[in-house]
Amino acid sequence: AQSVTQPDIHITVSEGASLELRCNYSYGATPYLFWYVQSPGQGLQLLLKYFSGDTLVQGIKGFEAEFKRSQSSFNLRKPSVHWSDAAEYFCAVGPSSNTGKLIFGQGTTLQVKP
Amino acid sequence: DAGVTQSPTHLIKTRGQHVTLRCSPISGHKSVSWYQQVLGQGPQFIFQYYEKEERGRGNFPDRFSARQFPNYSSELNVNALLLGDSALYLCASSLEPGQGAFFGQGTRLTVV
Repeated sequence: AQSVTQPDIHITVSEGASLELRCNYSYGATPYLFWYVQSPGQGLQLLLKYFSGDTLVQGIKGFEAEFKRSQSSFNLRKPSVHWSDAAEYFCAVGPSSNTGKLIFGQGTTLQVKP
Repeated sequence: DAGVTQSPTHLIKTRGQHVTLRCSPISGHKSVSWYQQVLGQGPQFIFQYYEKEERGRGNFPDRFSARQFPNYSSELNVNALLLGDSALYLCASSLEPGQGAFFGQGTRLTVV
């Protein structure tokens, strides 16, 4: 079955510290992979996406993610977290074409300590 | 350019009523998807339309229906509302299916 697992429900980091949010997926075919961020009561903003090619992808707001096929992972990283990064982060996997359906993980809530 | 716009932003309905949610995609985007996000969970796929045709349907009852208009805007309809339908309903658009969707701010539906 197709699924996305975000093992960490809640993460707290200090401002200026590095961040890594984990994402593991189960998908039969070659997936498209995405990270979205959601502020309270808001819609989702696309941070970055991986379709093919270089397995290290750069996104907005200083985020990057690395696709590791052998580990079925697509972890999100940021070298130095800012207080404004506090939000909920969702990893998603989708097909390369056709339906465009995205399967989301349950999300990781990031809290940033001053 | 305007992003994905959804209306209304908030809505309160009574059990058994019907609701229509509306979505205008980013200009030039022909693919529109609908998602339901229950509090504390990730979004769940409901429908995807591309060029006015249904391309995908999630595991939702027939009370949920949608359509896409010639200008690529879309409506999501839910009949016979249940308390469990209370959620944030998100619309997303993209140039083509699977290309990375841009989401609207959502419609918060509360069923009482």
